[in-house]
Amino acid sequence: AQKVTQAQTEISVVEKEDVTLDCVYETRDTTYYLFWYKQPPSGELVFLIRRNSFDEQNEISGRYSWNFQKSTSSFNFTITASQVVDSAVYFCALSEPNYGGSQGNLIFGKGTKLSVKP
Amino acid sequence: EPEVTQTPSHQVTQMGQEVILRCVPISNHLYFYWYRQILGQKVEFLVSFYNNEISEKSEIFDDQFSVERPDGSNFTLKIRSTKLEDSAMYFCASSEVRIDGVFGPGTRLTVT
Repeated sequence: AQKVTQAQTEISVVEKEDVTLDCVYETRDTTYYLFWYKQPPSGELVFLIRRNSFDEQNEISGRYSWNFQKSTSSFNFTITASQVVDSAVYFCALSEPNYGGSQGNLIFGKGTKLSVKP
Repeated sequence: EPEVTQTPSHQVTQMGQEVILRCVPISNHLYFYWYRQILGQKVEFLVSFYNNEISEKSEIFDDQFSVERPDGSNFTLKIRSTKLEDSAMYFCASSEVRIDGVFGPGTRLTVT
């Protein structure tokens, strides 16, 4: 079955600390895509990254970095030197566009609420 | 940059009333989706739409729900007889290929 697990419900850090948000997934296919979205208090879903299953290179974008490990079915997200503006709920998601009749819909984890205190 | 738009941003309705949530997907996109997020919970897939028909739907998408693309630009979600538990944020998404979706800002539906 396809599933995304974000075991950390809430994380609280002090500004400038590094923080890692965990994401573990289960998939039925060898071709799949993984995503991270940020949901600030205003409610919209802000796309952060998409990764396909054949690209295990880690990615860095400013203070954000992602570690994709197929061997452990994990796609973890690290924020370096966190800031108050990073406070949000972060969702990890999975898509299996080639599996069965899938039309590429996303399966989301339950999210991790990050609070960054000044 | 093209974006998905949704109207209204907030809809309040009474239980038993019909509501229509509207979305304008990105113009060259072919795949359209609706998702739902009950307050404080995860985002859940409702339905996907391709080639003018429903291509996939979840267990949540029962007979009370329907979707259509009436004029080639709008993509609507109708809830026939709203229940209290339909209160949620509804997100529309569109995609050029079956890989992901660009999400709209959402419509917050409150059923009283």
